Amino acid sequence: DTGVSQDPRHKITKRGQNVTFRCDPISEHNRLYWYRQTLGQGPEFLTYFQNEAQLEKSRLLSDRFSAERPKGSFSTLEIQRTEQGDSAMYLCASSSGKDNSPLHFGNGTRLTVT
Amino acid sequence: TQLLEQSPQFLSIQEGENLTVYCNSSSVFSSLQWYRQEPGEGPVLLVTVVTGGEVKKLKRLTFQFGDARKDSSLHITAAQPGDTGLYLCAGESSGTYKYIFGTGTRLKVLA
Repeated sequence: DTGVSQDPRHKITKRGQNVTFRCDPISEHNRLYWYRQTLGQGPEFLTYFQNEAQLEKSRLLSDRFSAERPKGSFSTLEIQRTEQGDSAMYLCASSSGKDNSPLHFGNGTRLTVT
Repeated sequence: TQLLEQSPQFLSIQEGENLTVYCNSSSVFSSLQWYRQEPGEGPVLLVTVVTGGEVKKLKRLTFQFGDARKDSSLHITAAQPGDTGLYLCAGESSGTYKYIFGTGTRLKVLA
């Protein structure tokens, strides 16, 4: 169990550019979650997957955000035409899918849009 | 839209004091989890409560799930500097495995 890993740890981009983040969950975890967190606040739900199926995408999320989990293992989160308001920590978590199983989080990708 | 409000938002106390953090919602959750997060890291699970009225203890931490499963509290006895961090509650919508996080309580314990 190597834990959830996220890449990159930090990303600085200019407004209008596209960015893509990667998350590798704990192996055999069938659920994968993406959250966004700003300083001192609780994580905001973005989307989650069961295997390769995307179960829900937050209605607060604009069409510039898209996530995939093509083979039910790693996942990518893409933000197109980034805006300064997208600056935040993007957290990925996975769980085994059993009832009441905990979310195991990665250490996040910190995005700064200049 | 389900919301989980935590109070207080910030708390700064002296070592040895007791404190309680509250997590409140108008929605019913099938389970509720508490996490602690340190700077630069992801949240780490402390406990899961499932049954209304359930009380769980983890050393100096006591967690309670409200009878109606809409609220929860975290009580810390004799706080220590190592308890410093961001405390988060997270509720699961029944049968969805979707977790909504609370607004967070930032605790600082001074030596």
